[in-house]
Amino acid sequence: RKEVEQDPGPFNVPEGATVAFNCTYSNSASQSFFWYRQDCRKEPKLLMSVYSSGNEDGRFTAQLNRASQYISLLIRDSKLSDSATYLCVVNNRAGGFKTIFGAGTRLFVKA
Amino acid sequence: DADVTQTPRNRITKTGKRIMLECSQTKGHDRMYWYRQDPGLGLQLIYYSFDVKDINKGEISDGYSVSRQAQAKFSLSLESAIPNQTALYFCATSAGGGYEQYFGPGTRLTVT
Repeated sequence: RKEVEQDPGPFNVPEGATVAFNCTYSNSASQSFFWYRQDCRKEPKLLMSVYSSGNEDGRFTAQLNRASQYISLLIRDSKLSDSATYLCVVNNRAGGFKTIFGAGTRLFVKA
Repeated sequence: DADVTQTPRNRITKTGKRIMLECSQTKGHDRMYWYRQDPGLGLQLIYYSFDVKDINKGEISDGYSVSRQAQAKFSLSLESAIPNQTALYFCATSAGGGYEQYFGPGTRLTVT
């Protein structure tokens, strides 16, 4: 089993739709979590951190469920410019510090 | 100017050649990382460095070596390039463990 798993998609949604991605992680000792966005052939860029209490940034909401070991990203009112790959990132300290990137979920938002 | 820069941005080389990819950062971070990305796969950590005197192997270090010349510079070498090292290579920095990482623009390497 991979340490961090994401549905690769692609998710094809119309503009204005709400879409949600989940990411599961296997190490219960994981300590910090992020969502990154990656455009085609570009570098990953931080979208938002994920806090235990959940957090929101405009149209984006991230949540953490430690009991079930997953994080989620909700995008409301999708824009064409949201089309990208979304990477889930998990940090843990077991056996030394380790950052693990998920393989990403592709999103296409269509007019 | 970009906080994390990589050179070259694109490189085509032949099997058996030695090649060096360079990374520089102006963020003042101690931690630097090298990743490779293959289509459909997540980022795989090659090497990381917590400071100038600390170098650590990542999950796929075989065939690669690194040098941390200064806090701001971290280079990756392929001693004898092979075709399955064709990939997109990213350098990244962070302020510490558990903090977000900042990525350079990437180097697209093709080994023929």
